[in-house]
Amino acid sequence: AQTVTQSQPEMSVQEAETVTLSCTYDTSESDYYLFWYKQPPSRQMILVIRQEAYKQQNATENRFSVNFQKAAKSFSLKISDSQLGDAAMYFCAYRRGNSGGSNYKLTFGKGTLLTVNP
Amino acid sequence: DSGVTQTPKHLITATGQRVTLRCSPRSGDLSVYWYQQSLDQGLQFLIQYYNGEERAKGNILERFSAQQFPDLHSELNLSSLELGDSALYFCASSVDPTGVRDTQYFGPGTRLTVL
Repeated sequence: AQTVTQSQPEMSVQEAETVTLSCTYDTSESDYYLFWYKQPPSRQMILVIRQEAYKQQNATENRFSVNFQKAAKSFSLKISDSQLGDAAMYFCAYRRGNSGGSNYKLTFGKGTLLTVNP
Repeated sequence: DSGVTQTPKHLITATGQRVTLRCSPRSGDLSVYWYQQSLDQGLQFLIQYYNGEERAKGNILERFSAQQFPDLHSELNLSSLELGDSALYFCASSVDPTGVRDTQYFGPGTRLTVL
């Protein structure tokens, strides 16, 4: 079974600075997708970024980028120029690839609570 | 706004009761997933439907059931409720789980409180 581990329960960053959230995962599959979701105090789950395992290039979305190390099974999220609105719980998630059967559920880590200090 | 709607937003009920949570997927999405978020278990997958048929089951209790209707909306039925069922229940939808660009988009959730 796949597992996702977020080793940092809490992180804090100063406004305008950069922070990196860590995520590691365990899988025996070669085809999969990785995601970062953000959950602000409103509790809505918002997709931040996704990465296909077959792509070597790291995904980026504006101020958000990932460092995907497939061999190390590591998938960290970097937030540049942090803003107060970035304060939220961040979840790393794994989904098997399209060749892996019929269950495309997301497996989540336990989350990292990010605080942004003004 | 993800385009996924869930009703009700909040639900307070007593132990032993039965409730129904409703989800409408994004326009064009055929798959619906249900997740439970609780303090002790985190975010856990319950069940998936695709175009009206059950596709996969996760850690869903026998007291829980779900279905997806012809108009693609889905309902999650929780019966014989216990205190431990108090949680945030999310619905997510995607176009087609076998699609290369498939991504799950989440609704705002239903917060269930069992007293």
